[in-house]
Amino acid sequence: NAGVTQTPKFRVLKTGQSMTLLCAQDMNHEYMYWYRQDPGMGLRLIHYSVGEGTTAKGEVPDGYNVSRLKKQNFLLGLESAAPSQTSVYFCASSLPLAGSTDTQYFGPGTRLTVL
Amino acid sequence: AQSVTQLGSHVSVSEGALVLLRCNYSSSVPPYLFWYVQYPNQGLQLLLKYTSAATLVKGINGFEAEFKKSETSFHLTKPSAHMSDAAEYFCAVSAGGGNKLTFGTGTQLKVEL
Repeated sequence: NAGVTQTPKFRVLKTGQSMTLLCAQDMNHEYMYWYRQDPGMGLRLIHYSVGEGTTAKGEVPDGYNVSRLKKQNFLLGLESAAPSQTSVYFCASSLPLAGSTDTQYFGPGTRLTVL
Repeated sequence: AQSVTQLGSHVSVSEGALVLLRCNYSSSVPPYLFWYVQYPNQGLQLLLKYTSAATLVKGINGFEAEFKKSETSFHLTKPSAHMSDAAEYFCAVSAGGGNKLTFGTGTQLKVEL
């Protein structure tokens, strides 16, 4: 099993450009998440999904959109990139556990620079 | 609301010395607590998790953590540090079974000869 994979690994954008980050998991997990990691701030949740066709906002959703058309894929879109979106982006997935919280499995990350 | 505070953004220890990384949480309901490790240029890997079964939790690579409700703490320890333990460590909390994690700001562990 590949686990959680992310495409691309690196990307440089100019301000105003758009792009889509792809996350794929082969563990049949229901839940998927997008985080951004910035120095000294830990990981912050951007958007998440509790199942195919559903998405919800996290802590820092502004400037991002997501889609979960297939259970195994979770896409993160930047419609008009800004320098403040320079960050490392991580995708994660997990199983739902009634009354509990399961382990989240993380991808290797995408390093995005917006000039 | 839930939150996590990690005291010390950088910790340095000698090889063979005790590792102690501090984590305090805030939660209005019984929490689930996690420690993740991130090696350079990699994603996060689970070290251990507390899900109310036992207060002393053992994880991978010789790490363990103790849940102390009275102190709202979940500190991570390892008796003897190894050079390969150099990494960034994140404490995270989830409350109410909602599956969303709130992460601390991380502690960078440096191991010196």
